[in-house]
Amino acid sequence: EAGVAQSPRYKIIEKRQSVAFWCNPISGHATLYWYQQILGQGPKLLIQFQNNGVVDDSQLPKDRFSAERLKGVDSTLKIQPAKLEDSAVYLCASSLPFGGSGNTIYFGEGSWLTVV
Amino acid sequence: QQQVKQSPQSLIVQKGGISIINCAYENTAFDYFPWYQQFPGKGPALLIAIRPDVSEKKEGRFTISFNKSAKQFSLHIMDSQPGDSATYFCAAVDAGNNRKLIWGLGTSLAVNP
Repeated sequence: EAGVAQSPRYKIIEKRQSVAFWCNPISGHATLYWYQQILGQGPKLLIQFQNNGVVDDSQLPKDRFSAERLKGVDSTLKIQPAKLEDSAVYLCASSLPFGGSGNTIYFGEGSWLTVV
Repeated sequence: QQQVKQSPQSLIVQKGGISIINCAYENTAFDYFPWYQQFPGKGPALLIAIRPDVSEKKEGRFTISFNKSAKQFSLHIMDSQPGDSATYFCAAVDAGNNRKLIWGLGTSLAVNP
């Protein structure tokens, strides 16, 4: 079974530039998550999709971050303009509905962003 | 405010020893408690999980102990191996908030050969 695919794996950009990350979840997983993980900390949920609808985006900095999940499959997370404090690993994850309560949440390997 | 408090922040154990990581919570709406293991450069992976109506769950060398009245749970790694060296996160599912997964801050475990 193929896992959660993310690209690019690594990205270095200057502050105020833009960047986009792509995620392809496990086939059949209706729930998709984007997490931000700063070095030395636990993952922080940015946005959760159920199919192509947003379930939770309460911690997404909407002035600079946006995410979409077209057709309920692939998803893109965009940051524009980037700030130094956005340097982090961006983890995409997917699960069957109600992930975390008995359905395993599967994570990709992450997209590492460095803003200089 | 950290809803799931995890300790210690880091842990060094000799090969063959027992690694113990503790977590505590206050929110009684939490109803599922998974542990994730994360190796450097990789995403977190579910290791083992427990529901609050169970006091202990064992999978191989990994055991979760759960004390519902004290609102505490812990991960025990028996016969720790160098390959267990990773960061471990406890978490809790908040049944009162869209089943959101609440994470601890993580414990960096190093097992010396």
